[in-house]
Amino acid sequence: ETGVTQTPRHLVMGMTNKKSLKCEQHLGHNAMYWYKQSAKKPLELMFVYSLEERVENNSVPSRFSPECPNSSHLFLHLHTLQPEDSALYLCASSLHRDQPQHFGDGTRLSIL
Amino acid sequence: RKEVEQDPGPFNVPEGATVAFNCTYSNSASQSFFWYRQDCRKEPKLLMSVYSSGNEDGRFTAQLNRASQYISLLIRDSKLSDSATYLCVAYNNNDMRFGAGTRLTVKP
Repeated sequence: ETGVTQTPRHLVMGMTNKKSLKCEQHLGHNAMYWYKQSAKKPLELMFVYSLEERVENNSVPSRFSPECPNSSHLFLHLHTLQPEDSALYLCASSLHRDQPQHFGDGTRLSIL
Repeated sequence: RKEVEQDPGPFNVPEGATVAFNCTYSNSASQSFFWYRQDCRKEPKLLMSVYSSGNEDGRFTAQLNRASQYISLLIRDSKLSDSATYLCVAYNNNDMRFGAGTRLTVKP
């Protein structure tokens, strides 16, 4: 039990599909993050939410759209993805931005 | 130049060996440092924070060298279960930077 739960664990979708990734944290943290992890590459920070406000968007293509309805939930809406978007998508949370992050199990995404 | 650099390895060591990893960071203003471990196809998990004075947690010792801008992780008496990828993290001003990781395999 990591305290950060992601669903689904695996997702296979076509390039024209629309899907959403969900993240929920039960740790009372104030900051939540989306990362992309491709093979043999460092974690790539995509989005940061602090107290439900998006505070960072690292030049992520618009086909990725985050949503943070409250401090416990974070979504990543996917639309018209490309094969190079296939990766492990990790959600994390931390009490504050300068504190260690706790990660969910990740969603392994494959784009056909 | 990458913000946080690590030797990708792999480091292959026998059980019981002592192994050390270094990680260099480019931003001299970095304030906090952490080591995470990530098992194959799993999420990263915090292993330990790295303090200026160095810190030890059982078989694991972390050191910080600000002058040379690197942090280190020493694992003594390696166990098979230590096999994983070890990620170095440097934090500065709301920016948490992860290294690509060093892979360790401990063999019987």
